[in-house]
Order: sequence, then C-alpha cells, then structure tokens
Amino acid sequence: GQSLEQPSEVTAVEGAIVQINCTYQTSGFYGLSWYQQHDGGAPTFLSYNALDGLEETGRFSSFLSRSDSYGYLLLQELQMKDSASYFCAVRAVVQAGTALIFGKGTTLSVSS
Amino acid sequence: DAGITQSPRHKVTETGTPVTLRCHQTENHRYMYWYRQDPGHGLRLIHYSYGVKDTDKGEVSDGYSVSRSKTEDFLLTLESATSSQTSVYFCAISETGQGAATNEKLFFGSGTQLSVL
Repeated sequence: GQSLEQPSEVTAVEGAIVQINCTYQTSGFYGLSWYQQHDGGAPTFLSYNALDGLEETGRFSSFLSRSDSYGYLLLQELQMKDSASYFCAVRAVVQAGTALIFGKGTTLSVSS
Repeated sequence: DAGITQSPRHKVTETGTPVTLRCHQTENHRYMYWYRQDPGHGLRLIHYSYGVKDTDKGEVSDGYSVSRSKTEDFLLTLESATSSQTSVYFCAISETGQGAATNEKLFFGSGTQLSVL
C-alpha cells in the first residue's frame, strides 16, 4: 500500500518563510507533486519533482530526497492569499496502472 | 483553464437511490480520475480511467462504478447511495499516467457537492 504523512496545520505571518514536509511510503515511485487548494475551490498544481533536488518556481520551491522518501514545499515571502490547504501527492501503482495518491493535506494560515 | 465540467454541481438525494455524476473534458486527455474529498481525509481516489472502456479501481471504490464510453466523458455512479457517500467529488484529467515531468499535472474540475440524506 501507500501512505503520505504531512502536518495537518501550519501557521505563519506575512513575509515569513514556511516549510511543509511530506514523507511517503509507496509501492513503486514516480515522483512527488504538490497541489494548492483554497477554501471552496479545486486543487491546482504547484510543482513536481521526479529527481532529487530543489525545484524553484517563483516564491515556491519543492525538494525531493528519494533515498529518504521525503520532500517538502517551501513558501517564501508569504502573502495572505497563500492561506490554503497544500497536498503532497505521489504517483504510485494502483491495481493495473498508476494514479496520483494524495496526502491528507496541510492547512496553512497566514496572518498579518 | 483546462476544459473540465462536472455536473451537477450540487445534489441532494436519499439513501438507497442511484446517483450518477458526470465529468466532461474538452482537452482530449487520455487519463481521467474520480476523487472524493472529506474533512480529515484529503483526496481519495475512487476510480480512474486510462482510455475509452479502460478503467480501474482506486483506494475507495466500494459502492461506486464508472464508465467511459467516449474520451471526453467519465461517469461515476453510486449504485445505492449511503450517508457515508456524502462528500465533495472531484474529477481530474491528465495527459499521461506515468511520471513524465511535463505531463504530470492533474487538472481538476470544480467539484460536485453530494449530500445523501
């Protein structure tokens, strides 16, 4: 089977840096993704790591260590609009094929 | 925005009735997925499809069936709705199903809020 662990809640203030960790256990591994979801909205893609290392996209960065089955999402220069839920996800073997399996999500609250 | 339409957006039904949710895409993507989202559980995969008439079970498939007769449509049926199936249901699509970096993105529909009374 597969499981992903991430903190349930994180709080921070505007302008700060926050790191959301994700550890995973899967049968077969193809990559680690991150999605953002605002209240009442649909999840939207943020980043994807297939190889070890850091991927940077603007204020957001994502890191993967396959040997440690671990990754994180780094959000810099936090803004109020970053208040949302963040999900890590892995593409894993599911029955005869592969599909994206999600963690339970981390709720980020950014205050002024 | 990816062309994904879920219908209905909201539905209230009674226990024991069959319910069908529809996902329609205009992107011609091969892969389609149904997830349910519940507080404290994140997104859980119900069923997915990797082509017309090619479907497979996900993590929480009991009580659900799917059909995909055309590339653009993926139907989710609750055979006999129960209160435990009250949830928000999201359809998603992706261009491929393997870990190709440029095509790993899932695009989600707006969701269907289903209440089973």
